[in-house]
Amino acid sequence: GENVEQHPSTLSVQEGDSAVIKCTYSDSASNYFPWYKQELGKRPQLIIDIRSNVGEKKDQRIAVTLNKTAKHFSLHITETQPEDSAVYFCAARLKGGGADGLTFGKGTHLIIQP
Amino acid sequence: NAGVTQTPKFQVLKTGQSMTLQCAQDMNHEYMSWYRQDPGMGLRLIHYSVGAGITDQGEVPNGYNVSRSTTEDFPLRLLSAAPSQTSVYFCASSYRVSETQYFGPGTRLLVL
Repeated sequence: GENVEQHPSTLSVQEGDSAVIKCTYSDSASNYFPWYKQELGKRPQLIIDIRSNVGEKKDQRIAVTLNKTAKHFSLHITETQPEDSAVYFCAARLKGGGADGLTFGKGTHLIIQP
Repeated sequence: NAGVTQTPKFQVLKTGQSMTLQCAQDMNHEYMSWYRQDPGMGLRLIHYSVGAGITDQGEVPNGYNVSRSTTEDFPLRLLSAAPSQTSVYFCASSYRVSETQYFGPGTRLLVL
């Protein structure tokens, strides 16, 4: 089945600096890669996604890049703010083994230092 | 428009008991899924459905059953609860698997 590795598990940055979270996936047939943000005690919420026919997507301070050859994708947050503190999960659409759903990474706890 | 709702919010069970976690959505989404979230493990897919009358197994289906008799509802049944099923359970829905998935508020389950 699909395997998604996410690094780092914890990331601490100064307010105003940039943060980068990286994920790799195993199934070359995967074609959809969303990123979810989860605040403490809350439900995950989609912040950005990218499909395999696109190399980069940007939404204000958030961007995602995809390298299909290397099978990795990254989340970039610029000008970080205190409200960016949360756990971020990458995911890939699972297509192998007959199941059709998302496989999630184990998450990155992003801490914004004031 | 309530989005995705889940009941109960919190439940304590004894080993061997059964129960049903309820999930409903009012967005006319075809795709619905159940995930469990354990510390340090991310979210893992239990079961999913691509439409009424159609269900299939995800990554960790053992010990759980689902049904999808209507587009709106997708209950998850624990057949005989075990301590290993202590977790937070999230239901999600979307038009298709590769579209924005909207999560419910979660059910926190403790099995003693």
